[in-house]
Amino acid sequence: DAGVIQSPRHEVTEMGQEVTLRCKPISGHNSLFWYRQTMMRGLELLIYFNNNVPIDDSGMPEDRFSAKMPNASFSTLKIQPSEPRDSAVYFCAAGVRGLHDTEAFFGQGTRLTVV
Amino acid sequence: GDSVTQMEGPVTLSEEAFLTINCTYTATGYPSLFWYVQYPGEGLQLLLKATKADDKGSNKGFEATYRKETTSFHLEKGSVQVSDSAVYFCALSEEQAGTALIFGKGTTLSVSS
Repeated sequence: DAGVIQSPRHEVTEMGQEVTLRCKPISGHNSLFWYRQTMMRGLELLIYFNNNVPIDDSGMPEDRFSAKMPNASFSTLKIQPSEPRDSAVYFCAAGVRGLHDTEAFFGQGTRLTVV
Repeated sequence: GDSVTQMEGPVTLSEEAFLTINCTYTATGYPSLFWYVQYPGEGLQLLLKATKADDKGSNKGFEATYRKETTSFHLEKGSVQVSDSAVYFCALSEEQAGTALIFGKGTTLSVSS
């Protein structure tokens, strides 16, 4: 398996534009996470899906952010409209949810710059 | 709610020095504990894991022991190498409490030759 695949790797966009980040998780992994990483706030959990259903979206910053997982092999994180403060590295992680815990495997991230 | 606290970095060491990165946690029950490592320009990779009290996770010369009495999971390595330079994240997961996977803020390790 190629692991978690994120696209694009880098995105530069102008303030106000819509941005869509994509993630292809590992086949058979039943959980999917979106994290945002910045120097100031570290690694923040944005949203967590289990079996394609959103379980916890309390970390989504505001209504400008939305995430979908239409099937087990694809997820998107959309920002509309984008703002400079959204500049960060966004990670998708695929998880194996067991009885007691979830172990996650990360993609290489998308570095988003909003100018 | 559950949380993870790591020592502030950066940690700067010479090659072959002993490494300790402190991690403490707050949890309602009995979480699993993890250390992840992030090399420059990459995503996080699982380094080691422990699922119950007194378990020791180990990998690549790193180890950490799950200490329930002190709610700690400190990362140690006896002799660091330049290639160990990275950011290290402590994390916990507690499905029965509804905590999927949360991370500490990360500790940057820089090893010089």
